[in-house]
Amino acid sequence: GESVGLHLPTLSVQEGDNSIINCAYSNSASDYFIWYKQESGKGPQFIIDIRSNMDKRQGQRVTVLLNKTVKHLSLQIAATQPGDSAVYFCAEIYNYGQNFVFGPGTRLSVLP
Amino acid sequence: SAVISQKPSRDICQRGTSLTIQCQVDSQVTMMFWYRQQPGQSLTLIATANQGSEATYESGFVIDKFPISRPNLTFSTLTVSNMSPEDSSIYLCSVGVARQETQYFGPGTRLLVL
Repeated sequence: GESVGLHLPTLSVQEGDNSIINCAYSNSASDYFIWYKQESGKGPQFIIDIRSNMDKRQGQRVTVLLNKTVKHLSLQIAATQPGDSAVYFCAEIYNYGQNFVFGPGTRLSVLP
Repeated sequence: SAVISQKPSRDICQRGTSLTIQCQVDSQVTMMFWYRQQPGQSLTLIATANQGSEATYESGFVIDKFPISRPNLTFSTLTVSNMSPEDSSIYLCSVGVARQETQYFGPGTRLLVL
């Protein structure tokens, strides 16, 4: 389930299940979006990106969906593994990369 | 993507002192940025480090508190001046590659101010 922690919302999923992490962005002019994964003690790591002329993009075990109508972005992780436990941030980019805004983040916890 | 290193990786400092954080990239990059990430929170942009000129600071951040240098296309420093416990955070540098909008991040510097 999903709950709000002290700072970050947390999503807990069983190992092997699919995870869906959501992000609401703020600027309708944003034309590029990135999902980052941040493991404990590390910097954010690029996972997948999508441009505003697309509504879906797939990578290895990950899919990003973009709904511009409601300004919503989601990251789907298939067959979630313990190594997927991390904080996930979405970022919206506009003004030709001059403006780069991070979402609040979601902590994904994978249960054995 | 570029390989980015930061020094130090972590430090514990006394209030009133200053700490300089270094960011080194293995290739020339157009854009370098400094972010702060307070415990349990998202990333906040401090400034854009401009090569050969003064950094561009975001609202709420000033040069006197966070002086930045960028002497060339592969290196930048951020100084956290006159530190207080409220400056305890992770400080991250990131780089943007020419003609791309993606930013790649360094491992971060974990700062604790006592």
